[in-house]
Amino acid sequence: GAVVSQHPSRVICKSGTSVKIECRSLDFQATTMFWYRQFPKQSLMLMATSNEGSKATYEQGVEKDKFLINHASLTLSTLTVTSAHPEDSSFYICSARYGTSGGCGKNIQYFGAGTRLSVL
Amino acid sequence: DAKTTQPNSMESNEEEPVHLPCNHSTISGTDYIHWYRQLPSQGPEYVIHGLTSNVNNRMASLAIAEDRKSSTLILHRATLRDAAVYYCILRGYTGTASKLTFGTGTRLQVTL
Repeated sequence: GAVVSQHPSRVICKSGTSVKIECRSLDFQATTMFWYRQFPKQSLMLMATSNEGSKATYEQGVEKDKFLINHASLTLSTLTVTSAHPEDSSFYICSARYGTSGGCGKNIQYFGAGTRLSVL
Repeated sequence: DAKTTQPNSMESNEEEPVHLPCNHSTISGTDYIHWYRQLPSQGPEYVIHGLTSNVNNRMASLAIAEDRKSSTLILHRATLRDAAVYYCILRGYTGTASKLTFGTGTRLQVTL
């Protein structure tokens, strides 16, 4: 399968600082990438959909000014958690959609390994 | 949104086949059935997907009911490395329905 690389795998930061997470599709071009968040013992929650060259679409309840998403190229999307606080501590996972033809239903999403953010 | 229903947990012995069920009675004609799994502390991994016909790949088989209201993921010989949370997800053609929305999944335990 295709490979999605996410970096860093783990980050610990002080409250009030900003953290940037990178997501790269290594062997395919992804016009659409997704960012998810997962709290302990819970399922993944979609935060936003990132389209190359345009503004991200955020899910209801997700603050776009706090979670800045940039998708400047077909292989790279970044998520910046601005002014992080302890309640932002979570497992952040990116995903890239492979294939765009014939509607979205059959397209496979490949996921990064996740970034565990701990805000002190 | 079309939703799926899966058992919270299942157990299997190693080397035995595992049948993971999924009910999706409100599936629409253009919804694909996707299966992903998530190992502990990892991102989800694609397993298999299908529309109407049964599907096989190196990881698993997907059996889809004739009326498409249910499906079964089949792991032919479970190993300890197959212990994970398995998610059955419907993915539509466009818009909100095309988003990969995760439910609670089935936690598979594999024992020796």
